[in-house]
Amino acid sequence: GAGVSQSPSNKVTEKGKDVELRCDPISGHTALYWYRQSLGQGLEFLIYFQGNSAPDKSGLPSDRFSAERTGGSVSTLTIQRTQQEDSAVYLCASSYRGGGLETQYFGPGTRLLVL
Amino acid sequence: KNQVEQSPQSLIILEGKNCTLQCNYTVSPFSNLRWYKQDTGRGPVSLTIMTFSENTKSNGRYTATLDADTKQSSLHITASQLSDSASYICVVRGMDSSYKLIFGSGTRLLVRP
Repeated sequence: GAGVSQSPSNKVTEKGKDVELRCDPISGHTALYWYRQSLGQGLEFLIYFQGNSAPDKSGLPSDRFSAERTGGSVSTLTIQRTQQEDSAVYLCASSYRGGGLETQYFGPGTRLLVL
Repeated sequence: KNQVEQSPQSLIILEGKNCTLQCNYTVSPFSNLRWYKQDTGRGPVSLTIMTFSENTKSNGRYTATLDADTKQSSLHITASQLSDSASYICVVRGMDSSYKLIFGSGTRLLVRP
């Protein structure tokens, strides 16, 4: 079946602009995660969704970052007033129910470059 | 301090050779440890997952080991192929969360013909 998809695959924006990143999880997966991967760094947890609720937003770096999920499926990550330090690869993952031993399936990521 | 440290940062080997990648972690209490493979421009793909009670797990030419006492894990790749060129990421989950994973920064492996 289809895996996790993300769009756009690449985004170049000017400092100060808002961007919206989209994630389509695997059908039937209730758990969805957003991560950020900066060059040479490990993946950094941003936010976790269980259904449409986000019980853990602790990884969002500032109030310029927000995310929502609708219909228990598609999620969007919005970055307002982008800064150059926001440049990174944003990865989305989903898993069946969010259990401790579940595999998280990753999308290909969105490469964001803020000029 | 990073709770998951990997070594080496990068590695170059010849096709057909074996290699071993290392992972040390300080996450405690510990629940499980995973190894992911990330091809350039792609998202990570799970290779193995081990709980604290498991010592070794294989997935084809990949064999992961875990020593929960010393908090060390290794990923051994046998008879390397060009397609093994990728980043290999060690990921640990602590007991405090059912979903939050802590990622190492990865080892970049290049397999040359």
